[in-house]
Amino acid sequence: EAGVVQSPRYKIIEKKQPVAFWCNPISGHNTLYWYLQNLGQGPELLIRYENEEAVDDSQLPKDRFSAERLKGVDSTLKIQPAELGDSAVYLCASSQGQGSLSYEQYFGPGTRLTVT
Amino acid sequence: GESVGLHLPTLSVQEGDNSIINCAYSNSASDYFIWYKQESGKGPQFIIDIRSNMDKRQGQRVTVLLNKTVKHLSLQIAATQPGDSAVYFCAENIAFGNEKLTFGTGTRLTIIP
Repeated sequence: EAGVVQSPRYKIIEKKQPVAFWCNPISGHNTLYWYLQNLGQGPELLIRYENEEAVDDSQLPKDRFSAERLKGVDSTLKIQPAELGDSAVYLCASSQGQGSLSYEQYFGPGTRLTVT
Repeated sequence: GESVGLHLPTLSVQEGDNSIINCAYSNSASDYFIWYKQESGKGPQFIIDIRSNMDKRQGQRVTVLLNKTVKHLSLQIAATQPGDSAVYFCAENIAFGNEKLTFGTGTRLTIIP
């Protein structure tokens, strides 16, 4: 079974430029998460989707960050414009979701963003 | 490989020895705890979990101990192998099924051959 797929794996952009990350969760997983991981720290939740609905986006900086999961499968996280402090690894995770027997989150490899 | 912040707690263990990684969690209301392993260039990988109505749970070569009195969690890895070298994170959840994890500061474990 394929795991969570993310692309690109690495991205280098200049500040003030836009950037987008893509995630394909494990097939059948209804819940999708985007996390931010700074160097040497644990992941921090940005947004959680149940199917196509964003059920928790309280930690998403909405002035520059946006996300979508239009068909309840793939998701895109966008930053516009990027700032130097956005340099980090952006992780996507998925789980079976509410009502299932397992809440285990499966993580993708992440996208390492460097803003110069 | 991917570098990690110099301030990350580190633990070095001889191959074959047992290792213990500790974690102090923050929320006394947390009901569910998970240990994750993160290798260089990869996302976190689930190792073992425990609910607050237990104080010990064992898996294959791993044991998690929970002390709710002092809000402390530990991960014991028996007979460590080179493949155990990674950063280990504990995560807490307000309630099983809530799905909102709060991760702690990781510990870098290095296995010395």
